[in-house]
Amino acid sequence: GENVEQHPSTLSVQEGDSAVIKCTYSDSASNYFPWYKQELGKGPQLIIDIRSNVGEKKDQRIAVTLNKTAKHFSLHITETQPEDSAVYFCAASPEGGYQKVTFGTGTKLQVIP
Amino acid sequence: ETGVTQTPRHLVMGMTNKKSLKCEQHLGHNAMYWYKQSAKKPLELMFVYSLEERVENNSVPSRFSPECPNSSHLFLHLHTLQPEDSALYLCASSPTSGRVYEQYFGPGTRLTVT
Repeated sequence: GENVEQHPSTLSVQEGDSAVIKCTYSDSASNYFPWYKQELGKGPQLIIDIRSNVGEKKDQRIAVTLNKTAKHFSLHITETQPEDSAVYFCAASPEGGYQKVTFGTGTKLQVIP
Repeated sequence: ETGVTQTPRHLVMGMTNKKSLKCEQHLGHNAMYWYKQSAKKPLELMFVYSLEERVENNSVPSRFSPECPNSSHLFLHLHTLQPEDSALYLCASSPTSGRVYEQYFGPGTRLTVT
């Protein structure tokens, strides 16, 4: 089955700096990679995703990159703000029909004002 | 608000109790999911229902019993739980089970087994 590893487990950055979270996956059949943000007392919320036919995707201050050859993908947050503080999860999934999403272990991001 | 609600938000139960968790989605989705979230571990998929039919039972102990009476409601019945079952239990829904990547999560029920 799929195995997703996520690093670092905790990350502290100064407000305005960038934050990078990295994930690796094992199953070459995975071709969909979502990222979730979980704020305290809430469930995970999808913030951005990328598919294997795309190398990079941006949405305002967040971007994801994918290296399918090396089986790793990353989340980049620029100009971090205190409201970016949360736990971030990466995940990997094959698409088509019913498929499971395999999650990473999460990164707790703290943005220091 | 994601359109997925869960009750109760917190639950403390003894090992011999029987309790139920409730999930309701207001999104018109046809697939619903139960996940277990433990500290420092990935989210664990427990059950999947598609159009009220269970399509996945991910080797979950029988002390967890799901029920999906209609496409908007999902229950997780709990009995004779163990302390290691203490965790955050998340419900999610998606338009279909084939579009699992479009999952919307509820806020979770924090379960403590004493």
